[in-house]
Amino acid sequence: DTGVSQDPRHKITKRGQNVTFRCDPISEHNRLYWYRQTLGQGPEFLTYFQNEAQLEKSRLLSDRFSAERPKGSFSTLEIQRTEQGDSAMYLCASSLLTGRSYEQYFGPGTRLTVT
Amino acid sequence: SQQGEEDPQALSIQEGENATMNCSYKTSINNLQWYRQNSGRGLVHLILIRSNEREKHSGRLRVTLDTSKKSSSLLITASRAADTASYFCATVLQGGSEKLVFGKGTKLTVNP
Repeated sequence: DTGVSQDPRHKITKRGQNVTFRCDPISEHNRLYWYRQTLGQGPEFLTYFQNEAQLEKSRLLSDRFSAERPKGSFSTLEIQRTEQGDSAMYLCASSLLTGRSYEQYFGPGTRLTVT
Repeated sequence: SQQGEEDPQALSIQEGENATMNCSYKTSINNLQWYRQNSGRGLVHLILIRSNEREKHSGRLRVTLDTSKKSSSLLITASRAADTASYFCATVLQGGSEKLVFGKGTKLTVNP
């Protein structure tokens, strides 16, 4: 399977707990993106990496959120002290930086429920 | 904040009919893309149209772009029940990063 994978697919946690999600992009892709999607809305950009460098962070990414891509391959998104408002689908996408290609390939998402 | 607004929010048609969805956006773009999302799943890229293009086709899909009106439309011809999904337009802003800025989507139901 050469698609984007995310783990876990579902996570239920209690308010105040920390959670970590993992994303494995398509192997040759050097860009990796995180988005968050709430019910009935389109995805909203959180952050993206080119190789291991985090190039942009959204204002949505409060100091409770941190993302890493330590070796330029997989990425993790951690949410500390979760709040009910963090309940959402967290989507990862990857792309290959070329001169004219902007298509992003999305993973199946991790659905987070904070109780 | 979300850049695009799709119209209508929901659309229900019969199999074999055509489905048209519209998207408006606010700022200058590099390109505009359409994605499909089946319920509770990830997004699938359908088609990309660049800011200097006016129309593009891919199979049963036809996309138009009017940069003067900051709007795009997606036409799905001869719809099938399997086309039932949410459809999102997403823009890549001019001079900005390559992040996608999505609209709220159109939920399409194709009845067999």
